[in-house]
Amino acid sequence: EDQVTQSPEALRLQEGESSSLNCSYTVSGLRGLFWYRQDPGKGPEFLFTLYSAGEEKEKERLKATLTKKESFLHITAPKPEDSATYLCAVQASGDKIIFGKGTRLHILP
Amino acid sequence: NAGVTQTPKFRILKIGQSMTLQCTQDMNHNYMYWYRQDPGMGLKLIYYSVGAGITDKGEVPNGYNVSRSTTEDFPLRLELAAPSQTSVYFCASSFRDAGYTFGSGTRLTVV
Repeated sequence: EDQVTQSPEALRLQEGESSSLNCSYTVSGLRGLFWYRQDPGKGPEFLFTLYSAGEEKEKERLKATLTKKESFLHITAPKPEDSATYLCAVQASGDKIIFGKGTRLHILP
Repeated sequence: NAGVTQTPKFRILKIGQSMTLQCTQDMNHNYMYWYRQDPGMGLKLIYYSVGAGITDKGEVPNGYNVSRSTTEDFPLRLELAAPSQTSVYFCASSFRDAGYTFGSGTRLTVV
């Protein structure tokens, strides 16, 4: 069965304290891995797509990486406005995407 | 640029009532999706469509129906609402193999 597991469930960091969020997956035939950001009361906002192991994408303080079994979302010198829930999703064979349960990130000023 | 628009934003239904959640997109995306999001459970796919006239069941389709008569619109119908359908509903659209654009959600309470 295709599965996506995100860890940790929640993470509290001081402003400027860098860290990484993990997304591990078990799927047959990965077609793409997606990262989203979700603010309270809003829909998820697309951040990155990664297609193959070794690929990396960056946007401001965020950097996503991909291996054959997991993806990391690295957050460098975070600011309070980076506080949100970060969702990982994978697309295996077929058209459907499976979402993880998310990591709630809280950056303290 | 409106993106994906969902209406209503909030709704309270009584058990057994019916309603339609509206979703429209202006990006000419061929793929559209309905998800529900419950606390601690992540996003669960209800129905999806790969183009006008084509719909298919997702992970949790029971109690729901959809139609896709145009590229732009993908309404979700709830028949005989039950408390288990209390949730936040998100509509999304995409081109194939691309990231989704989500709407802002409909918060539904069934009492």
